[in-house]
Amino acid sequence: NAGVTQTPKFQVLKTGQSMTLQCAQDMNHNSMYWYRQDPGMGLRLIYYSASEGTTDKGEVPNGYNVSRLNKREFSLRLESAAPSQTSVYFCASSLAGPPYNEQFFGPGTRLTVL
Amino acid sequence: AQKITQTQPGMFVQEKEAVTLDCTYDTSDPSYGLFWYKQPSSGEMIFLIYQGSYDQQNATEGRYSLNFQKARKSANLVISASQLGDSAMYFCAMRTGNEKLTFGTGTRLTIIP
Repeated sequence: NAGVTQTPKFQVLKTGQSMTLQCAQDMNHNSMYWYRQDPGMGLRLIYYSASEGTTDKGEVPNGYNVSRLNKREFSLRLESAAPSQTSVYFCASSLAGPPYNEQFFGPGTRLTVL
Repeated sequence: AQKITQTQPGMFVQEKEAVTLDCTYDTSDPSYGLFWYKQPSSGEMIFLIYQGSYDQQNATEGRYSLNFQKARKSANLVISASQLGDSAMYFCAMRTGNEKLTFGTGTRLTIIP
């Protein structure tokens, strides 16, 4: 089991460029999440998907779009990157609750927007 | 809306002492789960402990225990006999019925030899 995988690990973009962050899990989890973590701060929820075919906004959805391609994959797209989107992005997955079992995290993608 | 509050941005603790990291939460959902994660300097998120809102006993996992006080809406993490390897960021998080998972801003714990 690979757990939660994210690609790429690092990315540098210029302002206005677009890119898609990929996330996949092989644990048959229902719920998947995208977070961003800015220096010295906690994780802020961008979007989440409680099940295949559904997505919902989190705290900071502006500037992002998501696709729950199938049960395994949940991608995050930046249509027109801005320097304010420089951050570390984490994908996570979990079984649907209750009970609210632990979430498993990917290793993160470090994104820099110049 | 659900919210997690961690009021201690940083803590310094002597090695081998016990440490309590504070976490309060707010939700109107009667069913929820509370979590603590550790994030070392390497950046990965490490799950430590889980407490369900209907669990009668406080959760324990080795040196970690969760002091769950439902009426006060608090879920403090207690680390007994701290070790140098415990130096890290610690995040409290909550999940509710809509599957949304919310994190606090974290506490940076530094263990002093």
